[in-house]
Amino acid sequence: GQNIDQPTEMTATEGAIVQINCTYQTSGFNGLFWYQQHAGEAPTFLSYNVLDGLEEKGRFSSFLSRSKGYSYLLLKELQMKDSASYLCAVRDPDSGNTPLVFGKGTRLSVIA
Amino acid sequence: SQTIHQWPATLVQPVGSPLSLECTVEGTSNPNLYWYRQAAGRGLQLLFYSVGIGQISSEVPQNLSASRPQDRQFILSSKKLLLSDSGFYLCAWSALSGRGGETQYFGPGTRLLVL
Repeated sequence: GQNIDQPTEMTATEGAIVQINCTYQTSGFNGLFWYQQHAGEAPTFLSYNVLDGLEEKGRFSSFLSRSKGYSYLLLKELQMKDSASYLCAVRDPDSGNTPLVFGKGTRLSVIA
Repeated sequence: SQTIHQWPATLVQPVGSPLSLECTVEGTSNPNLYWYRQAAGRGLQLLFYSVGIGQISSEVPQNLSASRPQDRQFILSSKKLLLSDSGFYLCAWSALSGRGGETQYFGPGTRLLVL
């Protein structure tokens, strides 16, 4: 089967650092994606990891451990505009015609 | 650069009425195309997936259907809407990336309310 787990909600303070975790159990693995989705809008692509380690892109970084089925998204120097849902998705090539499996998302609230 | 369009942006329809949502992609050829639904407070549910013209894979059996009459056009339809069809409908496209992944890029979405 396929399962993606993320915390439902998180709250963090402006200027701080927050880590959003994602664990997955899938038959196969060919990459993990993070998306940002502001309320009422479509998801936008943030990052892609296929090898173990940390990928850094400005204030956002994403980490992957394939052996642990674990990833995190790290947001630094939080800004109010970072308040959004963050979706973790795994590409499972063994799942036939379903190329990405999405988690339910983590709703992040940034407070002053 | 690639762009993806969806229309309409918002739609209010009575129960039992038909539905047609359209999605088009520009700036790429032979994309993979997807229809998702996102109900309030829930995750993204993949509805249909297409790798080429006339090729549709259905992920969830329901009263919706999809068609791909042209390479960069994907249509979501229903003959009779149900209340449970209300939600945020998202079209996405992807192409194989150089790293072997398949990043999906989403359109702006259509918010459907069935009354």
